[in-house]
Amino acid sequence: DAMVIQNPRYQVTQFGKPVTLSCSQTLNHNVMYWYQQKSSQAPKLLFHYYDKDFNNEADTPDNFQSRRPNTSFCFLDIRSPGLGDAAMYLCATSSFDWGAYNEQFFGPGTRLTVL
Amino acid sequence: KQEVTQIPAALSVPEGENLVLNCSFTDSAIYNLQWFRQDPGKGLTSLLLIQSSQREQTSGRLNASLDKSSGRSTLYIAASQPGDSATYLCAVTGRDDKIIFGKGTRLHILP
Repeated sequence: DAMVIQNPRYQVTQFGKPVTLSCSQTLNHNVMYWYQQKSSQAPKLLFHYYDKDFNNEADTPDNFQSRRPNTSFCFLDIRSPGLGDAAMYLCATSSFDWGAYNEQFFGPGTRLTVL
Repeated sequence: KQEVTQIPAALSVPEGENLVLNCSFTDSAIYNLQWFRQDPGKGLTSLLLIQSSQREQTSGRLNASLDKSSGRSTLYIAASQPGDSATYLCAVTGRDDKIIFGKGTRLHILP
């Protein structure tokens, strides 16, 4: 089945130790998103790619970076995690065709714990 | 700046009842509005997508409507079941490519 896969599902890191979260998709969608969701809050968009075109949200901290080496994969790098970065990180994909965004599909998420 | 509000924040109803969840947004310049379901500790499952040119979408017991001019969407769930218990989120994709989520409605269906 076509899907969005996130690895790892659970990540524990130490304060200040860089961490990379990965997302892959078999949907061949041209748009990929990274969201941060803290407990009992709405998902917050960090950035998205339209093909290789990177779009950063204005309030996304510089501590968060992303790479999309090809259509299928997208990575979220947190350069120096702080305690406030502990959250669920959600990857999603969509297609943008004929001037419209289509349905977003989400992965299961990676829960990040910062010690 | 787009703001998305969902009312109520939480809702408990007996099994078998029909119910309506509400989503409102402040900027009508949107590509689409999408409804999701989220179970505790899980990712989001897409329920229905309504493009800006559409008025409603239906899938099984679910029906979502969109009134772009008034900035409102509703999700109607017919004949609710205990398995419908989850948090329901709406998200708006704006013409500026920004996606804004509401805080969700926590739904509990009482057996």
